[in-house]
Amino acid sequence: EVQLVESGGGLVQPGGSLRLSCAASGSTFRTSTMSWVRQAPGKGLEWVSSISGSAGSTNYAASVRGRFTISRDSSKDTLYLQMSSLRAEDTAVYYCTDYGDYRSPYVWGQGTLVTVSS
Amino acid sequence: QSALTQPASVSGSPGQSITISCTGTSNDVGGYNRVSWYQQRPGKAPKLMIYDVSNRPSGVSNRFSGSKSGNTASLTISGLQAEDEADYYCTSYTSSNTRVFGGGTKLTVL
Repeated sequence: EVQLVESGGGLVQPGGSLRLSCAASGSTFRTSTMSWVRQAPGKGLEWVSSISGSAGSTNYAASVRGRFTISRDSSKDTLYLQMSSLRAEDTAVYYCTDYGDYRSPYVWGQGTLVTVSS
Repeated sequence: QSALTQPASVSGSPGQSITISCTGTSNDVGGYNRVSWYQQRPGKAPKLMIYDVSNRPSGVSNRFSGSKSGNTASLTISGLQAEDEADYYCTSYTSSNTRVFGGGTKLTVL
């Protein structure tokens, strides 16, 4: 089973940028759909973005479209989320997920906290 | 895309059964058999309990079951146990090729 480890979170000022990374180990990375899901402190889950196994298809939540970019590097078994024009409401724990054999996020990382504040 | 509607909280006694509803629209829950349910314990990442409306991943107890009628999906937990106490989230694929989550339901085992 694939294991996921996120990194790159931290404190950033409003309007700033940040790139999250998700290192995967396991055999399914190169074929599975992967996604980012976030959770604001004390709040529910919010789907952010997904990318197909071939990286030919990407999708975004309306709240981040045009500001965030998802990508994957199969040679490095790594998923990325480039975030720009960050807002206070983007503050959340960001989870990297792998769909595996299911049509829904199955494997989740431990999450990385992004805090947008001046 | 509006969040799916779940009750904020449900409760039950050990051994009982509870059902959590998840209401959407014909553009998400009602239009696709791609509803999933997650269990999240405090400080932990979510765990997939049900996918494609009624299927259980390997290792998930058969006390958990899912169903759907129209625009409403449901998660039923039978033989309630103390360890089932957690937050539960539904999610569905949408006609916009995105995914939407419900607001979450806190399950309390009395």
